[in-house]
Amino acid sequence: DAGVTQSPTHLIKTRGQQVTLRCSPKSGHDTVSWYQQALGQGPQFIFQYYEEEERQRGNFPDRFSGHQFPNYSSELNVNALLLGDSALYLCASSLAGEEKLFFGSGTQLSVL
Amino acid sequence: GENVEQHPSTLSVQEGDSAVIKCTYSDSASNYFPWYKQELGKRPQLIIDIRSNVGEKKDQRIAVTLNKTAKHFSLHITETQPEDSAVYFCAAYSGSARQLTFGSGTQLTVLP
Repeated sequence: DAGVTQSPTHLIKTRGQQVTLRCSPKSGHDTVSWYQQALGQGPQFIFQYYEEEERQRGNFPDRFSGHQFPNYSSELNVNALLLGDSALYLCASSLAGEEKLFFGSGTQLSVL
Repeated sequence: GENVEQHPSTLSVQEGDSAVIKCTYSDSASNYFPWYKQELGKRPQLIIDIRSNVGEKKDQRIAVTLNKTAKHFSLHITETQPEDSAVYFCAAYSGSARQLTFGSGTQLTVLP
């Protein structure tokens, strides 16, 4: 039973560029949430996808967008990267209606 | 929105002693309170959780208590071992906002 998988594990970009991060949920899960974890801080909620639609969104600008595919996998896109976007991006999956989240190992994004 | 505060930010204990981490939340609609353990460079792992209709839950050396009236909950680790060293995060799930809000984390160090 595969857990939550994310790719790539590490990524280096420069300011102004765009990035796409990918996530495959745990087998049987249909809901994907994305979190940003800055160094030394707790994860911050970006948004959640269910049935290929954004269901909830945290306090992040429109530069952050996402997508969910029919197989429940998801992408996080960040446009016009800023230095402050450097962080660990975590994907978490769950079953619709359940609060328990299972996290992937994350993508470490560095913006230079 | 929900606000979760976590204390202390760092905690050092001798092996075999107990460790207690405390969190408070602001949204009275929050009804699910998980605790995650995150080792350096790894994913957050759910170690225990509690729902708002329960006051205490225990799993071997780990226990969580919840005081809904005061809006605070705590993690208790007894007989600590060096492998308990990690960052611990509390979180609160708001049913109305349908999102999980994390505390800022506690770096627990168990000294041999």
